Amino acid sequence: AQRVTQPEKLLSVFKGAPVELKCNYSYSGSPELFWYVQYSRQRLQLLLRHISRESIKGFTADLNKGETSFHLKKPFAQEEDSAMYYCALSGHGGSNYKLTFGKGTLLTVNP
Amino acid sequence: DTGVSQDPRHKITKRGQNVTFRCDPISEHNRLYWYRQTLGQGPEFLTYFQNEAQLEKSRLLSDRFSAERPKGSFSTLEIQRTEQGDSAMYLCASSVPGERSYGYTFGSGTRLTVV
Repeated sequence: AQRVTQPEKLLSVFKGAPVELKCNYSYSGSPELFWYVQYSRQRLQLLLRHISRESIKGFTADLNKGETSFHLKKPFAQEEDSAMYYCALSGHGGSNYKLTFGKGTLLTVNP
Repeated sequence: DTGVSQDPRHKITKRGQNVTFRCDPISEHNRLYWYRQTLGQGPEFLTYFQNEAQLEKSRLLSDRFSAERPKGSFSTLEIQRTEQGDSAMYLCASSVPGERSYGYTFGSGTRLTVV
């Protein structure tokens, strides 16, 4: 079974402070990990894919297979980063294309 | 807007009525997914199609739920004899063929309220 855990429902930081949104997963094989973001009144959209090792809007995430984690980090938070963030996992093999999502973390960046 | 379209955006229905939602994916995406999201939860997988074939269904999808994707284009999700527990946001997403790593493109969702 695949499972994604985001331990923090709410996270509040001040503008310019570093931010880390935690994500831990459970999967027996080699998963693909994603971060999705939902800004207020907007649709859910892809932020990052672990496989691309990219930085989007200053955010990065590293897959740590030993700790089964995929934490999302940004060194200097901006007010426009305030949103709901979901970590998601996709399995490998066969027709396992579905994404399993965590419950999400609501990030608030205060001025 | 050439993204994923869902209709209607909101639906209020009385318990026991049937409802049908529509999703139009991005035209070149051959995979289409339905998810359900309730308050305080992340999206939960319901079912997915590759072209017109429904390849997987979640245990969440009771026999009151049925999804179709005729001709491999748009998809419909029907809920028969709605119950209050069906109240949720129903999300549709699509993805490019053969490239899970690109992730999904989501629609805005249909918010169902059963009264």
